Amino acid sequence: AQKVTQAQTEISVVEKEDVTLDCVYETRDTTYYLFWYKQPPSGELVFLIRRNSFDEQNEISGRYSWNFQKSTSSFNFTITASQVVDSAVYFCALSEYQISAAGNKLTFGGGTRVLVKP
Amino acid sequence: EPEVTQTPSHQVTQMGQEVILRCVPISNHLYFYWYRQILGQKVEFLVSFYNNEISEKSEIFDDQFSVERPDGSNFTLKIRSTKLEDSAMYFCASTSGQGAGGTEAFFGQGTRLTVV
Repeated sequence: AQKVTQAQTEISVVEKEDVTLDCVYETRDTTYYLFWYKQPPSGELVFLIRRNSFDEQNEISGRYSWNFQKSTSSFNFTITASQVVDSAVYFCALSEYQISAAGNKLTFGGGTRVLVKP
Repeated sequence: EPEVTQTPSHQVTQMGQEVILRCVPISNHLYFYWYRQILGQKVEFLVSFYNNEISEKSEIFDDQFSVERPDGSNFTLKIRSTKLEDSAMYFCASTSGQGAGGTEAFFGQGTRLTVV
């Protein structure tokens, strides 16, 4: 069974500081996908980034970057130069490769609440 | 930009009553999902739906729950006899299905169900 753990329940930073969110996952599949979603106070879930298990290249997209390390089963996410609008709950999620009709069921971590103070 | 829409945004119902939560997925998507988030907790998978049938369901999705795609656009979740513990935010999501697990899910804004 798959499992996603976000050990940090809440992080508080001052605007312009960087914030890194930890995510550790468990899966028996060799092919899987990892995601980060943002849940602002309004409640919706917003897709941020996706990474395939067979591509460990780390990337930067604007103020977001991620560090995927298969050897430690970690998929950490960093917001650079945080802004007040980044205040939200951030969820890490895992989807296993499915060739059946099941689509991509997501297993979510418990979420990390990020509070960015002005 | 296409989006998943859910109605109503908030529903209050009495324990034992039936509720139907409605969703309009993105029009060219093939896979549909319901997730649940009890207040302050993680988002949990309930059920996935493809080709007019359930493709996977979690242990939460018991006989009190059912899903339906009554026409070409709507996707509904019915809870037959609500319990207090059904109070949660319910999210509908859809994916195009390309990539066998790797496509991002697009979520609706959620329906907050309160059972009193």
